[in-house]
Amino acid sequence: GQNIDQPTEMTATEGAIVQINCTYQTSGFNGLFWYQQHAGEAPTFLSYNVLDGLEEKGRFSSFLSRSKGYSYLLLKELQMKDSASYLCAVRRMLFQKLVFGTGTRLLVSP
Amino acid sequence: GAVVSQHPSWVICKSGTSVKIECRSLDFQATTMFWYRQFPKQSLMLMATSNEGSKATYEQGVEKDKFLINHASLTLSTLTVTSAHPEDSSFYICSASPLPRGRGAGANVLTFGAGSRLTVL
Repeated sequence: GQNIDQPTEMTATEGAIVQINCTYQTSGFNGLFWYQQHAGEAPTFLSYNVLDGLEEKGRFSSFLSRSKGYSYLLLKELQMKDSASYLCAVRRMLFQKLVFGTGTRLLVSP
Repeated sequence: GAVVSQHPSWVICKSGTSVKIECRSLDFQATTMFWYRQFPKQSLMLMATSNEGSKATYEQGVEKDKFLINHASLTLSTLTVTSAHPEDSSFYICSASPLPRGRGAGANVLTFGAGSRLTVL
C-alpha cells in the first residue's frame, strides 16, 4: 500500500508565495506528479519530479527528496485564478498507475 | 498535446439502471487507461486499470461485477456502472497517456478526460 498525505486546506493572499507539502510512503517509486484541479473539472498537469531536486516552470516549482519521501509545490506571485485543489500523485514502477494524495484546497484572497 | 475525450459529461439515471461512460484518446493510442472516482471535496480514487485486449485490473474494494470495464481498441475504454444506486453517484474520470517512445521517455504524463458526473436517483 501507500500513504500520500497533504494538508487539507491552505489560504494565501494574492501576490504571495505558498508552499504545499506532500509526504508519501511507497515501494517502487517511479515519479511524483502535481496536478491542479478546479471544482468540477478534470485535473491538469503542473509538474513532474523523478530525481531529487527542484523543477521550475514559470510561477510553479516542485521539489522532491526521495530519501525523505517528501515533495512540495511552490506557487509564486499568487493570482486569484490559482484558487483550486492541488493534487500530489505518486507513480509506482511496476504498474505505471498514478495514485493520488488527499489533495490540498488552496484559497487565494485579495 | 494529448487529448482525452469523455462522454457523457452529465448523466442522471434511475436506481437499478446501467450507465455507460466512454473514454477516448483522440490523437494517440493508449494500451492502458485508468478510471478514477471522485466524491465531493475528496481526492481522486483509482478504481481500475483498463488494459487493451485483456481484463481490467481492479483496485482493492472495487466490485468488478458492478463496474464493468471494456478496452476494445487502442483508443477507447468504457466503464459501465451496472444496477446503479444513489451511493454510486460520483464524478468519474478517465485518464491515459501516449505509448512511451523509447528509453528515457520521461514523464509520460497522464492526461485526464473532462469527467462524467453521475447522479442516481
